Amino acid sequence: GESVGLHLPTLSVQEGDNSIINCAYSNSASDYFIWYKQESGKGPQFIIDIRSNMDKRQGQRVTVLLNKTVKHLSLQIAATQPGDSAVYFCAEIWNSGYSTLTFGKGTMLLVSP
Amino acid sequence: DAGVTQSPTHLIKTRGQQVTLRCSPKSGHDTVSWYQQALGQGPQFIFQYYEEEERQRGNFPDRFSGHQFPNYSSELNVNALLLGDSALYLCASTPWAGGPNEQYFGPGTRLTVT
Repeated sequence: GESVGLHLPTLSVQEGDNSIINCAYSNSASDYFIWYKQESGKGPQFIIDIRSNMDKRQGQRVTVLLNKTVKHLSLQIAATQPGDSAVYFCAEIWNSGYSTLTFGKGTMLLVSP
Repeated sequence: DAGVTQSPTHLIKTRGQQVTLRCSPKSGHDTVSWYQQALGQGPQFIFQYYEEEERQRGNFPDRFSGHQFPNYSSELNVNALLLGDSALYLCASTPWAGGPNEQYFGPGTRLTVT
């Protein structure tokens, strides 16, 4: 499949561990944030989102934390599984009405059985 | 229900040539956005189409143009190809009135310029 992970920061974990992926965003005026998962040969897939008026949001096995003071997002994945291996991107939106995404650099997550 | 589809999957072109990439949005979606993803980078927004008009544009030269058809499908055209245009081109669709979390991406077209 198509590789998107060349030269990306890599996080290697064991199956069952908790993973934390970090992202610094660029625009203090951004009002909406999304985490995407991109597997080899596929387009980005929505994981979880958070609005700028929130600090934390939980989904199934995933939690997103937002620190607006330092313009930082994190994605926590509980009980990481081999199927979680992929490249993860954070994306910000400056104007929610247009859905135009500005993506961060991405982190490759490698999960060993 | 088919998701976002793109064609072709892979394409090889020579510098100076022109290329057309195609996208069919997810059923029920009327807005199409195009992104360029260089190897090892995050996707970069090119432009967005709604009601057959370009609604927003990112920082890309005029060599990049697009079109949306009445059935909401879209084309991305790139003229005078440069080596730096080699990338994965992603199409994303969403309902115009929908939220950003309703944006779905296709698998992309890998363009190689030699």
